[in-house]
Amino acid sequence: AQSVAQPEDQVNVAEGNPLTVKCTYSVSGNPYLFWYVQYPNRGLQFLLKYITGDNLVKGSYGFEAEFNKSQTSFHLKKPSALVSDSALYFCAVSDYKLSFGAGTTVTVRA
Amino acid sequence: DVKVTQSSRYLVKRTGEKVFLECVQDMDHENMFWYRQDPGLGLRLIYFSYDVKMKEKGDIPEGYSVSREKKERFSLILESASTNQTSMYLCASRERTGSTDTQYFGPGTRLTVL
Repeated sequence: AQSVAQPEDQVNVAEGNPLTVKCTYSVSGNPYLFWYVQYPNRGLQFLLKYITGDNLVKGSYGFEAEFNKSQTSFHLKKPSALVSDSALYFCAVSDYKLSFGAGTTVTVRA
Repeated sequence: DVKVTQSSRYLVKRTGEKVFLECVQDMDHENMFWYRQDPGLGLRLIYFSYDVKMKEKGDIPEGYSVSREKKERFSLILESASTNQTSMYLCASRERTGSTDTQYFGPGTRLTVL
């Protein structure tokens, strides 16, 4: 069975500092990995995905994620966080369906 | 742009009522999904559909049913609503080609069962 884990319920950073949201996965075979973001009172928005190829994946809004097969991780990163990045972030893994992590609430303080 | 719409943003129903949640996508996608989102639990898959009139149970199908009579529309049905079905319900449509596999989500329906 496939699954993802997001070990941190909350991440707090100051504006301008680097932001990292952690995700580890468990799958048999090659993983399809995703990050989604949910702003308050909004649906989920797709940020980026890893299917194959380069381990560093670039996505929307300046986010990127690094696929690490040996550590089974797919951490989301942004070099310089903005207050507007405050949201709920979900990691997900896919075969025929998406399995989501529990989510990480990111708060960026001014 | 892919557009997934859901019939209601907010819904309040009473215990025992039959509830219909509608989802429509405009991109001719074959796969559609219904999730519920609860704090601390992330999103959990209720049902999904590979194509018209085809459905498959997800991780938490109990108390729910679905209908897919047309490709663009996927309905979630609560036969007899209960208070533990109070939740945010999200519909998704899946784009799957040789090089891409992405789900697009609707804005969600926040259902309260009294």
